[in-house]
Amino acid sequence: GAVVSQHPSWVICKSGTSVKIECRSLDFQATTMFWYRQFPKQSLMLMATSNEGSKATYEQGVEKDKFLINHASLTLSTLTVTSAHPEDSSFYICSARAGSRAYNEQFFGPGTRLTVL
Amino acid sequence: QQPVQSPQAVILREGEDAVINCSSSKALYSVHWYRQKHGEAPVFLMILLKGGEQKGHEKISASFNEKKQQSSLYLTASQLSYSGTYFCGTGLTTDSWGKLQFGAGTQVVVTP
Repeated sequence: GAVVSQHPSWVICKSGTSVKIECRSLDFQATTMFWYRQFPKQSLMLMATSNEGSKATYEQGVEKDKFLINHASLTLSTLTVTSAHPEDSSFYICSARAGSRAYNEQFFGPGTRLTVL
Repeated sequence: QQPVQSPQAVILREGEDAVINCSSSKALYSVHWYRQKHGEAPVFLMILLKGGEQKGHEKISASFNEKKQQSSLYLTASQLSYSGTYFCGTGLTTDSWGKLQFGAGTQVVVTP
């Protein structure tokens, strides 16, 4: 199956700092990647849709200036949490869509656990 | 917009069967099923498209009733490895980006 990696797998930072999370599709090109946030024992909440070469589209209620997304190439998307605060602590997961059709499979990365002190 | 999953949780003995349901109030084009184990990323199980198809992988199968906007996941002769939280992700006919809205999940515990 398709492989998606995320780096780092976990990060602990101080309040006010910025953290960058990378999402890579290792064996396929992903025109579209998605960023999710998951709280303990809860579902996956879509934050934004990232398209290669264009601006990301954010879901309602997600601050685009706080969660900066850059989809620099067909295999890499990054999420930067700017001026992180304790309430931003969460499990962030990306997925990459294999294929260009909207209904193609999405494969998830292993996730990044962010803890803001 | 999030689909509704039921039941919230189910406990099975090895070898027993279970059904997990996923329903939406919106017109669906696709339903994606994933299984997530604690602390890990969701793992893709299968995707069903509009057209009322059924699919299966070993002893896990699923159906999609587009008229009812419902999908069901069938765990047959469950194995210990089936334990985890199952999520359905739904794709709307009105969305061209392929965004998925996920249900709250169904926790499955398979005991020896």
